[in-house]
Amino acid sequence: ELKVEQNPLFLSMQEGKNYTIYCNYSTTSDRLYWYRQDPGKSLESLFVLLSNGAVKQEGRLMASLDTKARLSTLHITAAVHDLSATYFCAGLYSGAGSYQLTFGKGTKLSVIP
Amino acid sequence: DTGVSQDPRHKITKRGQNVTFRCDPISEHNRLYWYRQTLGQGPEFLTYFQNEAQLEKSRLLSDRFSAERPKGSFSTLEIQRTEQGDSAMYLCASSLYAVPYEQYFGPGTRLTVT
Repeated sequence: ELKVEQNPLFLSMQEGKNYTIYCNYSTTSDRLYWYRQDPGKSLESLFVLLSNGAVKQEGRLMASLDTKARLSTLHITAAVHDLSATYFCAGLYSGAGSYQLTFGKGTKLSVIP
Repeated sequence: DTGVSQDPRHKITKRGQNVTFRCDPISEHNRLYWYRQTLGQGPEFLTYFQNEAQLEKSRLLSDRFSAERPKGSFSTLEIQRTEQGDSAMYLCASSLYAVPYEQYFGPGTRLTVT
């Protein structure tokens, strides 16, 4: 059974600062995904990481994957208020061909002016 | 708009009533997933379809829950004899059965059982 843990669960940071969210998973996961969720809204796909060493960047967000360490990181550079949201990582469990996502509990990010 | 749609967006019901939710996936996607999200938690897998076949159900899906995807297009999720513990956001997602298996989520149906 795939388990996914994120930390921190809550993050309050000042505008302009850098920070990293960590996502550890328990067993082999074929893929790793990052989603953003605004309050009361659904999930928006941010990154799809397909292999060891994969790095993806979009604006102030950069995600990476280390399959040997079973670790993915989401790095925030020079945070702005618009990045305030909850960020989820999810591993892809392909057992029995389901390809279902197993999510972490999420990191609630608040960027303070 | 060609994304995943769900209906209704909000549903308030009394305990013991039956409710049904609908999901329309992205048209070319052959996989459809249902997840449940409670406050402060990540979404949890409930069940999925490949075309019209329901291939897996989570242990979270009690006998009061049933899902269908007739003709491999839209899907419905029915909850019978609702309980207060069923209050949650029900999310539908669709994907292609191909790399990168990326799932696209609908806006969700928020269920409140009073």
